[in-house]
Amino acid sequence: DIQMTQSPSLLSASVGDRVTLSCKASQNIYKYLNWYQQKLGEAPKLLIYYTNSLQTGIPSRFSGSGSGTDYTLTISSLQPEDVATYFCQQYNSWYTFGAGTKLELK
Amino acid sequence: QVQLKETGPGLVQPTQTLSITCTVSGFSLTSYYMQWVRQTPGKGLEWMGFIRSGGSTEYNSEFKSRLSISRDTSKNQVFLKMNSLKTEDTGVYYCAREGDSSPNWFAYWGQGTLVTVSS
Repeated sequence: DIQMTQSPSLLSASVGDRVTLSCKASQNIYKYLNWYQQKLGEAPKLLIYYTNSLQTGIPSRFSGSGSGTDYTLTISSLQPEDVATYFCQQYNSWYTFGAGTKLELK
Repeated sequence: QVQLKETGPGLVQPTQTLSITCTVSGFSLTSYYMQWVRQTPGKGLEWMGFIRSGGSTEYNSEFKSRLSISRDTSKNQVFLKMNSLKTEDTGVYYCAREGDSSPNWFAYWGQGTLVTVSS
């Protein structure tokens, strides 16, 4: 099974900050990587698919990058509504999710 | 618009069988894969399985021996049944639909249904 490790587990940042979240796979996943945002009490929401494709309706301040085993979600200018937990998900071999990065305001 | 809604029992006793219904609208089950994902305190988000647009199924090996996914296209419903429940199965169960171009990302989710396994 492919394991997904996200870091950090908790991130505090200020409004307007550029924020970077990391996701590392236990083996090469060939860019088969998605990112989801989950706000408290809600279902996950797809942000980015296939490493860097922005889902319809998602603000352009969100972007993704990476290859091989290392992937990144970047928020270019943090907004208050971005407070949430972010999950990566690989689909190279079935589907597995990371444990999440909780993003809070400083 | 696309909508999904899970309906479950809330409380299930250990060793019993869990049954959850996902009722969808705004699209046809014969055109999209439908996924089941759960979120538990112990293991976080876990993919459980899916039913293809054609009706065949695939399951996470973690659940394969006790999980069944089926559907009724005439009622726009997808069903999850899992037997031999344990307290560790307590969590929120979601149905989700694939994106428009691939089954590999989950573009639409239901609100989830909380299942508590307890005697």
